[in-house]
Amino acid sequence: SQTIHQWPATLVQPVGSPLSLECTVEGTSNPNLYWYRQAAGRGLQLLFYSVGIGQISSEVPQNLSASRPQDRQFILSSKKLLLSDSGFYLCAWSGAGGSYNSPLHFGNGTRLTVT
Amino acid sequence: RKEVEQDPGPFNVPEGATVAFNCTYSNSASQSFFWYRQDCRKEPKLLMSVYSSGNEDGRFTAQLNRASQYISLLIRDSKLSDSATYLCAVNPRAAGNKLTFGGGTRVLVKP
Repeated sequence: SQTIHQWPATLVQPVGSPLSLECTVEGTSNPNLYWYRQAAGRGLQLLFYSVGIGQISSEVPQNLSASRPQDRQFILSSKKLLLSDSGFYLCAWSGAGGSYNSPLHFGNGTRLTVT
Repeated sequence: RKEVEQDPGPFNVPEGATVAFNCTYSNSASQSFFWYRQDCRKEPKLLMSVYSSGNEDGRFTAQLNRASQYISLLIRDSKLSDSATYLCAVNPRAAGNKLTFGGGTRVLVKP
C-alpha cells in the first residue's frame, strides 16, 4: 500500500532563516505530488504541483520554492523565511497519468511557526 | 466569488441526529469532487468521492447537483466521533489533477 512521509512534524524558525521540508512517497511510481499550506483558521492553498522529476508548477507567487530531485521525493524550501510563512504545510500525492479523477492523500503535515 | 465555498458553521448536532451541508463551486466545467474530514491540527483525510450518481458509505451520503453547482454531504445517526471539519475539494480545471478546497464546515456532535 502507498504511504507518504513528511517531516519534521513541527518547526520553529526565526525570520530570515532558511527552510527545508521533505516529503517522500512509498508504494507507487510516478505520483503527482503537491505542497499545500493551511494558515491558521484558513483553507488549504495549493503552493506547488509536480507531475514528474524536475517538473514543478508554482501556483501562487511567494517566498517559497519546490524541487523534485527523485520520483517520490518532494522538497519545499525557502532561503529567507517571513512571518507570513507560518502555517500548516501539507504534502500530498495522487495517482499519475494526469488523471483528474484521483483524490489526494496527505502526509501528516509540518506545523511551521516563524518568530 | 471564491471557486469553492462552504458554510463554516459550526453545525451543532445532537448525537443520533442527521446533519447535512453543502459546498458550492463556481466553475461549471469542474470534473471531480471529494469530501475530506479534518480533525483539529491534523491532516485532511479522504472521506469519500462524489459521483454523478451519488455515493453512500455507511452513515455518509454524498450527492452532486451539477445544475446548481454544489455537492452535499449528509451524516445520519451522528456520533460524537463525527465531530470534525469537513472539507470539500473540487477539480475546477479540465487538465491536471489540482484540487481546490473549500474553507471547511465545522460539525460538533453533542451528547
